[in-house]
Amino acid sequence: AQSVAQPEDQVNVAEGNPLTVKCTYSVSGNPYLFWYVQYPNRGLQFLLKYITGDNLVKGSYGFEAEFNKSQTSFHLKKPSALVSDSALYFCAVRDMSLEGNYQLIWGAGTKLIIKP
Amino acid sequence: DVKVTQSSRYLVKRTGEKVFLECVQDMDHENMFWYRQDPGLGLRLIYFSYDVKMKEKGDIPEGYSVSREKKERFSLILESASTNQTSMYLCASKSLQPYNSPLHFGNGTRLTVT
Repeated sequence: AQSVAQPEDQVNVAEGNPLTVKCTYSVSGNPYLFWYVQYPNRGLQFLLKYITGDNLVKGSYGFEAEFNKSQTSFHLKKPSALVSDSALYFCAVRDMSLEGNYQLIWGAGTKLIIKP
Repeated sequence: DVKVTQSSRYLVKRTGEKVFLECVQDMDHENMFWYRQDPGLGLRLIYFSYDVKMKEKGDIPEGYSVSREKKERFSLILESASTNQTSMYLCASKSLQPYNSPLHFGNGTRLTVT
């Protein structure tokens, strides 16, 4: 079965330190991977995606993610955290079992807390 | 910028009521989705639509129905609200092409059923 796992419910990082939010996946075929962010009382916003090509993908707000095929991971990273990065982060993978249809399989989300 | 507007931010309804959640997008997107978000469960797909008058069941359609009479509007209907439908509901839209273009979300409707 296809799935996405975000092993950490919460990640705490001091402002200015690097941050990593982890995501692993299990899909058949080549994965299409996404990160979204949800700020308090808001809907989700797209951060970045991996479809093909360079394993390091750069996205919005200084975030990047590294696709690692051997470890089936797509961890979200940022070199220097800001307090304003505090939010809920979701990893998602396109459901490749549904040909012609576009659906995403979502992780449970990771709450990122950046402390001043 | 794409704008997805959900008509209500907060709703409180009684058990057994029929509830309508409305969603409008302004970018002529073909695809529209309804999710519910619960802590620790991520997003679960209720229904989606690939075009006007088309609808497909998602992972948890029981107790819900949808309507898409116009391209810009996708409505979620709770036929008889129950307390286990208390949740955050998120609407999203997406263009058909490019195929892996991102979803655009509304700000959500937090529904409480008492």
